[in-house]
Amino acid sequence: GEDVEQSLFLSVREGDSSVINCTYTDSSSTYLYWYKQEPGAGLQLLTYIFSNMDMKQDQRLTVLLNKKDKHLSLRIADTQTGDSAIYFCASAGQAGTALIFGKGTTLSVSS
Amino acid sequence: SQTIHQWPATLVQPVGSPLSLECTVEGTSNPNLYWYRQAAGRGLQLLFYSVGIGQISSEVPQNLSASRPQDRQFILSSKKLLLSDSGFYLCAWSEGYGELFFGEGSRLTVL
Repeated sequence: GEDVEQSLFLSVREGDSSVINCTYTDSSSTYLYWYKQEPGAGLQLLTYIFSNMDMKQDQRLTVLLNKKDKHLSLRIADTQTGDSAIYFCASAGQAGTALIFGKGTTLSVSS
Repeated sequence: SQTIHQWPATLVQPVGSPLSLECTVEGTSNPNLYWYRQAAGRGLQLLFYSVGIGQISSEVPQNLSASRPQDRQFILSSKKLLLSDSGFYLCAWSEGYGELFFGEGSRLTVL
């Protein structure tokens, strides 16, 4: 079946940039999403990108999509301690199926 | 605006006892509804989804079942809990098969 993979952990210092990477297998994915989960809470949509775009910027967040390599990344500029959370990549699979999520990347920000 | 509620937030149950987690969505009609489970280190696992009243699709064979008695109500049940049912359960909704909106989650501990 279709799959989404991401590294499990990332540790950065406050003020640095964070880059979280994701790869997916479904070439028909139309939208790709980044969700954030804070401890003990549900997931919140951070941003998304349509498959015909290469880049999307939203304040401190930059999403890059390499459709040829099926690679998605999320860059957080000037990372803050409040950015510490689990970040999930998700792809909208084939028409009529639910989103497919990666296992999540735990971002730890130290001051 | 749309909101999603799920309860209870925390549950501790003995092995072999029944389970009922409830989720309701407000502010939208005929949403797609989903139950996910998040176990430590395993990311998000899609358990069930529903595109309409009485229509349930099961993604993974489970000791669990789901029902949708009303348009905006989704219930996750078990007749006899197993230790392996412990985890963080998330309800979500979407319009069609795109962006998901998640509830705050229910943490189940089976002892």
